[in-house]
Amino acid sequence: NAGVTQTPKFQVLKTGQSMTLQCAQDMNHNSMYWYRQDPGMGLRLIYYSASEGTTDKGEVPNGYNVSRLNKREFSLRLESAAPSQTSVYFCASRVTGMDGYTFGSGTRLTVV
Amino acid sequence: GENVEQHPSTLSVQEGDSAVIKCTYSDSASNYFPWYKQELGKGPQLIIDIRSNVGEKKDQRIAVTLNKTAKHFSLHITETQPEDSAVYFCAEGEDSSYKLIFGSGTRLLVRP
Repeated sequence: NAGVTQTPKFQVLKTGQSMTLQCAQDMNHNSMYWYRQDPGMGLRLIYYSASEGTTDKGEVPNGYNVSRLNKREFSLRLESAAPSQTSVYFCASRVTGMDGYTFGSGTRLTVV
Repeated sequence: GENVEQHPSTLSVQEGDSAVIKCTYSDSASNYFPWYKQELGKGPQLIIDIRSNVGEKKDQRIAVTLNKTAKHFSLHITETQPEDSAVYFCAEGEDSSYKLIFGSGTRLLVRP
C-alpha cells in the first residue's frame, strides 16, 4: 500500500539542464496531477491527466511537459531548467470525479 | 476566474484553544470543498471535506462549515494539541472539472 511514490526526493540542477520527475500510484486511480508549491503561493497546478491517454494544462504549464505513460505513471519533464523552477513538486492522484487527492511526499528541486 | 482566498496566513494558539481558518471562493459552480494538512517535509493529507448539499460536517475535533450564499467555508479545530501544528490548505472544485484550486495555506502553531 505505497500510495503515490515520487522520485527523486531531492535534485539540484544547473540552469539549462533537463530532467524528468517520476510519479507512480498503486491505487488504480484514474486522474493524476502535478503541482508545484512555492512559499506563500500554495499549490499551483502545472498539468493533469484526467484519465489514461489524456493530458491537459493547468495554471502554470510553461517550461514543463508531461507524459501519462500508463494508468499508474505520470511523469513531469523540465527540458531546460530555469532558476524560477526551483520549487517543491507534488504528484497527486484520485479515483475520479469529485473526491480528495492522495499526494506523494514531494520532490525538492533547486536550479542554480 | 477560479480563485480561493485563505485567511489568516499564520495562526498561533495556546494548547486547548480553538483555531478557525477561513476560505472564500469565487466560482458559484463549486460544489466540493476539501481541507488538507501538511506536516513539515511531507505531502498534503486530506483531513476533511464537505459537499455543497451539506452545511456542516464534523470528525472528532475538526469541523468544516459551508455558506454557499456568501461563498465561504471554514475549518474549525477544537481543543488544539501540539500535533495539530502544521500548514493547512483549503481547496475547491466542481463536478465538471477534474482539478482542485487551492488556497495559499495557513501555518498553525499550537503553543504547549
